[in-house]
Amino acid sequence: ELKVEQNPLFLSMQEGKNYTIYCNYSTTSDRLYWYRQDPGKSLESLFVLLSNGAVKQEGRLMASLDTKARLSTLHITAAVHDLSATYFCAVDANNNDMRFGAGTRLTVKP
Amino acid sequence: SAVISQKPSRDICQRGTSLTIQCQVDSQVTMMFWYRQQPGQSLTLIATANQGSEATYESGFVIDKFPISRPNLTFSTLTVSNMSPEDSSIYLCSVPDGVEGVFGPGTRLTVL
Repeated sequence: ELKVEQNPLFLSMQEGKNYTIYCNYSTTSDRLYWYRQDPGKSLESLFVLLSNGAVKQEGRLMASLDTKARLSTLHITAAVHDLSATYFCAVDANNNDMRFGAGTRLTVKP
Repeated sequence: SAVISQKPSRDICQRGTSLTIQCQVDSQVTMMFWYRQQPGQSLTLIATANQGSEATYESGFVIDKFPISRPNLTFSTLTVSNMSPEDSSIYLCSVPDGVEGVFGPGTRLTVL
């Protein structure tokens, strides 16, 4: 059974600082997703990573994938308050259905 | 990308009753997925709904409790039956769109 572990679960950051969220998964998968969820909202797609060594960047967020280590990271650079949200990684289990990590609740403080 | 709408957006229900949630997609899709997000928790897949066949349920979810219909390639319903307070959650439908997974806005259900 595919398991997805995400850490940390809670992250409180100062504005301007850098940090990384980690996502480990237990079995081989074709796709790794990162989503953002604001309170009371649905999920917003951030990145889809498809191959070993894939790196994608959007603004202050950068995601990478190491399929050999079964590890993805979401790196936050120079955090700003607007990045405060819950971030989920998810792994494609079979035919596009996903298994989600527990989520990282990020708070960026001034 | 695909646009998904869900109805209702939220509801408050009494225990023992049932609620049917609708999911409408603006394009034809083979697979639709139903997820549950319990308060403060992550998302858990309930079932996969394919048009023209029975839904496939994940471990811990059964058809009698969560019957699903998939009458065509743009629409699905999920019914939460004989509700209890433990069913209070956000229910989301999702469809693949190329390599992306797109989610609907969710239905926030509170069971009293």
